[in-house]
Amino acid sequence: DADVTQTPRNRITKTGKRIMLECSQTKGHDRMYWYRQDPGLGLRLIYYSFDVKDINKGEISDGYSVSRQAQAKFSLSLESAIPNQTALYFCATSENGRTDTQYFGPGTRLTVL
Amino acid sequence: GNSVTQMEGPVTLSEEAFLTINCTYTATGYPSLFWYVQYPGEGLQLLLKATKADDKGSNKGFEATYRKETTSFHLEKGSVQVSDSAVYFCALNTGRRALTFGSGTRLQVQP
Repeated sequence: DADVTQTPRNRITKTGKRIMLECSQTKGHDRMYWYRQDPGLGLRLIYYSFDVKDINKGEISDGYSVSRQAQAKFSLSLESAIPNQTALYFCATSENGRTDTQYFGPGTRLTVL
Repeated sequence: GNSVTQMEGPVTLSEEAFLTINCTYTATGYPSLFWYVQYPGEGLQLLLKATKADDKGSNKGFEATYRKETTSFHLEKGSVQVSDSAVYFCALNTGRRALTFGSGTRLQVQP
């Protein structure tokens, strides 16, 4: 089984709808992250959490919110989706900071019409 | 702030050619440096990393050396294969937040 899973893998929705993307990890790591990938822009950080009680905004958090339900679960919500949130979303996890590998999920492709 | 600049793609090479993908960075603090690879339809996976100056990371025939004096971490491979076709991301981490990524370089290897 994969160490980091994301659901759904693909989602098409309409402008104004609320969407939740879910992430689960089995690596036992405290740190979890949400990134967004757009063509030609690499990955940009939306939110990150260093433990269950610690949640922080990243560089592009506007229009997004998160919930850390447990050490293993970190959900990303779009309260009212808009077309420019169409992107590939990745969840990742790591043990701690500077030197550690981040392990990525397979991604969720979100299309907002 | 932190930033990573890597060469734009796509890079198109013939099989067995030599590969270099340039990566330079600016960072507040002392970063670790990473190369991640994204194969078509998949998430990112670590290719190699280096955590201090002059360290060389290597994996699957790829190498990169952490050059603090030139703030660079160029990716090289002596002989590419068709199976190396993917998008390659250079990234850094100072430990304060999360990875800072470059924009990615698409590599296409032709038989």
